[in-house]
Formats: sequence, C-alpha cells, structure tokens
Amino acid sequence: DVKVTQSSRYLVKRTGEKVFLECVQDMDHENMFWYRQDPGLGLRLIYFSYDVKMKEKGDIPEGYSVSREKKERFSLILESASTNQTSMYLCASSLSPILAGVREQFFGPGTRLTVL
Amino acid sequence: GENVEQHPSTLSVQEGDSAVIKCTYSDSASNYFPWYKQELGKRPQLIIDIRSNVGEKKDQRIAVTLNKTAKHFSLHITETQPEDSAVYFCAARYTGTASKLTFGTGTRLQVTL
Repeated sequence: DVKVTQSSRYLVKRTGEKVFLECVQDMDHENMFWYRQDPGLGLRLIYFSYDVKMKEKGDIPEGYSVSREKKERFSLILESASTNQTSMYLCASSLSPILAGVREQFFGPGTRLTVL
Repeated sequence: GENVEQHPSTLSVQEGDSAVIKCTYSDSASNYFPWYKQELGKRPQLIIDIRSNVGEKKDQRIAVTLNKTAKHFSLHITETQPEDSAVYFCAARYTGTASKLTFGTGTRLQVTL
C-alpha cells in the first residue's frame, strides 16, 4: 500500500519566517508534486519533480522553492512566508509514465499552514 | 497550458438519485482524465479514470464519459448514498507534460436522506 506522509498536519508561522514542508513516500515513485488547495480554486500545482535533483515549475511557483535530494523526499520551502500563503498544502507522488503510461497520483494527508 | 473548468460547484441530491458532474478542458492533446474524491478532512483519492482512446468507463455505481470532439468529460454516480458526500475533482493531463495534471475547481456533492 502506497504511503505518502507529510511532516506536519498543522503549522503556524509568522510573516517573514522561512518555512519547510516535507513529504516522504515509500513506494519508490519517480514523480513527486506539491499542490496548494484553496476553497473555490481546487488543487493548484506549485512545483513537481520527476527525478532526484530535477524540478519543474507548476502553475503558481512564485514565493516557493523545492528540494529533492533523495528519491523518497520532496521538500517545499517558503523563503519568506506571507499571509497570502496561508493554505492547505498537499504532496503527491506517482510512478513515471515512461515505462507503463500515466499513473495515479497518491496524496499525502496535507499540511494546513497559517501565516500570521 | 491546459485549463479545466468544472460544474457545478455544489450539488445536492436525495439518496438514491443520480448525480452528474461535468468538466471541460482546453487542450485537445490531453489524453488522461482522472476523477478524485476528497472526503471531509481526508486526502484526495482516485475513484475512476479514463484515457482518450475510450469513450466510457464504468465501475459499479460510478461511470465516466468522454467526448473528445466537444472536449468534455463527465462523472456519473447512480443510486447515490450518504457516503458519496464529498468534494469531487476532475483533472486532465496534457501529453507534453509528463505526469502533470491540471485540476478543476471541485464539486461539493451532498447526498441527503
């Protein structure tokens, strides 16, 4: 059974703080994703990674960066948190589509971040 | 890039009735269309998906239809039950973007007794 875990369920930070959100998957998935979920806006892709040390911008990368030093771990970094980054952050992972076609994304439980 | 529109944003049906959620996509090169269900306080989970070479797919009480000409796809839930109450997201994958999905804005389905 695929397991995607996130470092925190709830997080409260102050404006200007550097924030790290971590995601770990245990199924040797090549692809990992970071989304933010806001009411009425659905799931919006921030960044994704298709291999270790590889990353690509999603639809809303501004104010965020990512790191993938190991295959199982994908970190989202808010260099200087702002109130408009208050949101639910969801991590996901999937197998690479190269060998067997596109595959299901498995989501983590989410981190609700509040920036004061 | 791909753009996915989803309607309605909220849907209320009586138990036993059918529910239909519709999505349209912008890029004719999209070839994979999954549907995710998110129960309150839980993570999104895949419930059904369809690929562009198929027009319809069924799994028990849920089905998805795809009209490539019109660039829209729909989720159909028959004989709705209270446990179907959740937020449903459609998504589309553009062939040029590896595994990247573009999601719709979600439909909150409420099944009333």
